[in-house]
Amino acid sequence: QQQVKQSPQSLIVQKGGISIINCAYENTAFDYFPWYQQFPGKGPALLIAIRPDVSEKKEGRFTISFNKSAKQFSLHIMDSQPGDSATYFCAASKGGGSYIPTFGRGTSLIVHP
Amino acid sequence: KAGVTQTPRYLIKTRGQQVTLSCSPISGHRSVSWYQQTPGQGLQFLFEYFSETQRNKGNFPGRFSGRQFSNSRSEMNVSTLELGDSALYLCASSLGTGASQPQHFGDGTRLSIL
Repeated sequence: QQQVKQSPQSLIVQKGGISIINCAYENTAFDYFPWYQQFPGKGPALLIAIRPDVSEKKEGRFTISFNKSAKQFSLHIMDSQPGDSATYFCAASKGGGSYIPTFGRGTSLIVHP
Repeated sequence: KAGVTQTPRYLIKTRGQQVTLSCSPISGHRSVSWYQQTPGQGLQFLFEYFSETQRNKGNFPGRFSGRQFSNSRSEMNVSTLELGDSALYLCASSLGTGASQPQHFGDGTRLSIL
């Protein structure tokens, strides 16, 4: 059972455009939602994360939008750059002292110059 | 500050063998987590160690085990290797345990089973 569904699987945007990646979760006990960026040959790197008590969080060109009632959250990359070309993963986990994340399947983003 | 170091970077084994992977966390980090990444299943949580104790475990068979040493370094062992164990194994460290602690990933060990 896939608890976190991520779409699209791949995304191509032009430089300067907006990249949008969506995730939907099923477990209402999830309360921490990070996004990771992974370049080929490298491990994932935490980009930005959100908790369900806020509907939006922005860090530079990266914004997470969160819709608790719909159990959905999305990553928006504004002014997309070729250097943003990477695979992006959303994740979700329950709170408390443990951190057992469930990851989406990933989105391969290509930004054309 | 050095990042998370995983050794070896690449490993080739045959079915039935066992393998040990090593992870050195960022200095001062006490929590180490292990993940398996495959094209078919994506990123999956294996287990987490904190202060030499396994805190959490993912849904993997007992062939997958790990341990953490007093200096926070961690090893992961896979016994009786199967073809399906071919994957990128990632280690991540954080200051403490819990979702509020950002995890820093190493670049992984690529394990290929022949």
